[in-house]
Amino acid sequence: AAGVIQSPRHLIKEKRETATLKCYPIPRHDTVYWYQQGPGQDPQFLISFYEKMQSDKGSIPDRFSAQQFSDYHSELNMSSLELGDSALYFCASSSYYHPGDWGHEQYFGPGTRLTVT
Amino acid sequence: GESVGLHLPTLSVQEGDNSIINCAYSNSASDYFIWYKQESGKGPQFIIDIRSNMDKRQGQRVTVLLNKTVKHLSLQIAATQPGDSAVYFCAEGDFTGTASKLTFGTGTRLQVTL
Repeated sequence: AAGVIQSPRHLIKEKRETATLKCYPIPRHDTVYWYQQGPGQDPQFLISFYEKMQSDKGSIPDRFSAQQFSDYHSELNMSSLELGDSALYFCASSSYYHPGDWGHEQYFGPGTRLTVT
Repeated sequence: GESVGLHLPTLSVQEGDNSIINCAYSNSASDYFIWYKQESGKGPQFIIDIRSNMDKRQGQRVTVLLNKTVKHLSLQIAATQPGDSAVYFCAEGDFTGTASKLTFGTGTRLQVTL
């Protein structure tokens, strides 16, 4: 079965540079989520999109922005990178939630490891 | 690959034994709870979930118990296998209209010894 695709898998940037991470959700999934996971940390929710509109916002720095495109893929843009931005960035996708559904599973991609030097 | 959870609590279990991984959550209003398994260099993988109005749910070799009185969640893995070695995260799930929002707890590294 098709899974969430993230690119690139590894990225090395210098401080103050910019980075763009891409996420391609599972086919027919219309919702994407971004998470940041630092070393030894649990994944922290950044932002989510449903049908190209921002759905929810978590602890995403102002230096970061994201959007979802008409083909449902999403991009996370990170500017003025700092050393502390070094982390694994996961994208997850899900289908539309219907009230009364049992649950609402988010399917995670393999992640992009960003290293800021 | 990436080593996740360098400083996480670790549970060592012998192959064939049962494992119990515990989690304390904070939001008593969460709609549901999920257990994820994360292997080194990979994204979290869904294991099992439970709605907030349930106490217990069973899957294949796994059972999740929810104690809302003390805000405690546990994952029981029967007949633990080497392939179960990973970091396990519990997460609180909240429905946000069109989507959901997950709040992860601190992971636990499960090490299965032969």
